Amino acid sequence: EIVLTQSPGTLSLSPGERATLSCRASQSVSSSYLAWYQQKPGQAPRLLIYGASSRATGIPDRFSGSGSGTDFTLTISRLEPEDFAVYYCQQYKPWTFGQGTKVEIK
Amino acid sequence: QVQLVQSGAEVKKPGASVKVSCKASGYTFTSYGISWVRQAPGQGLEWMGWISAYNGNTNYAQKLQGRVTMTTDTSTSTAYMELRSLRSDDTAVYYCARVSGVVYGYFDYWGQGTLVTVSS
Repeated sequence: EIVLTQSPGTLSLSPGERATLSCRASQSVSSSYLAWYQQKPGQAPRLLIYGASSRATGIPDRFSGSGSGTDFTLTISRLEPEDFAVYYCQQYKPWTFGQGTKVEIK
Repeated sequence: QVQLVQSGAEVKKPGASVKVSCKASGYTFTSYGISWVRQAPGQGLEWMGWISAYNGNTNYAQKLQGRVTMTTDTSTSTAYMELRSLRSDDTAVYYCARVSGVVYGYFDYWGQGTLVTVSS
């Protein structure tokens, strides 16, 4: 079973700053079957990125994904107030989630 | 528009069973699968299993094998997740999600979540 490890656990940043979130897999992820989700308190997760780098419908272009194999990155170019949330990576062949990274206001 | 609407909150005693429903609309139900994900209070996301709405094939997380059953009713476009022999650590919000692919895929639409509380 592939284990996904996200880092850091918490990222403290100010609005307007750049956020870089990491997701490392214990084995290579098939064909970049890697997604990222955003979750705000009391809400269901929302799909941001699939296929490691494709933005889901309606997702602003300040969100970008990159990587392949075992190392993946979610970048938020300039944090907006609504971006402070928890972010999860997921491999979807088969399905496992990382433990999450909380992006909080500094 | 695609919507997944789940049943309401449940309170169960240890050892009991719970069955959560997920009614889909806005797309052809049998063209996609449904996965179930749970989230214990203050914790991360845990994948529970998948069911094909096309043929009923299932794939369950190993730790839940023998306690979980996922089914669908294509006549009402509804998916169900039943969890038996409930324990206190099954207390969580349970989500259904549409799977983008025929078998494997990302979760492009989610239900609103159903809180299941297990307490004596």
